[in-house]
Amino acid sequence: KNEVEQSPQNLTAQEGEFITINCSYSVGISALHWLQQHPGGGIVSLFMLSSGKKKHGRLIATINIQEKHSSLHITASHPRDSAVYICAPVSGGGADGLTFGKGTHLIIQP
Amino acid sequence: GAVVSQHPSWVICKSGTSVKIECRSLDFQATTMFWYRQFPKQSLMLMATSNEGSKATYEQGVEKDKFLINHASLTLSTLTVTSAHPEDSSFYICSARKGHGRTEAFFGQGTRLTVV
Repeated sequence: KNEVEQSPQNLTAQEGEFITINCSYSVGISALHWLQQHPGGGIVSLFMLSSGKKKHGRLIATINIQEKHSSLHITASHPRDSAVYICAPVSGGGADGLTFGKGTHLIIQP
Repeated sequence: GAVVSQHPSWVICKSGTSVKIECRSLDFQATTMFWYRQFPKQSLMLMATSNEGSKATYEQGVEKDKFLINHASLTLSTLTVTSAHPEDSSFYICSARKGHGRTEAFFGQGTRLTVV
């Protein structure tokens, strides 16, 4: 079973701050999802990456497969970034191959 | 990215009634869809795998006769919560993948079910 740890669990920051959310896992994987869950519950897939780094707008995700670690960064954070961010490694276990972290609850204050 | 649409976004029903939730892949075909349940402040929990043209595969502890899944076409899967009880109140969300294997998952908007 893949043990997924996210940190921090909760984060409150001021608008404009650089945000980092970390994810570590225990079992080797082929790829990893970063998901964003809005207050209403809907989930958006931000990234799926298997190596190196991906960038989309103000979001950057990095992964080190050997270290079993991934990070999600938000530059120039904005109140609309307030959401729960979930990492979900893709491994062999489970029908869907996903193990979900408990999420990081991010609040960006104006 | 691909679009997965889920309907309704919220529903309130009386105990003992049944509720149907639809999950559609709008711009791609999905031979496999997944149904999850999420209780407050908890992680998503996989309930079942919906397979087009065949029976769904349920996770351990999920009652197949209570949570009926139908995947009649490559773009539509439905989850019916039968004889709903207040403890079934939860957030239900589906996901779908393009193609086969562990490709990127796309999620629906979710359905907030409240059973009174």
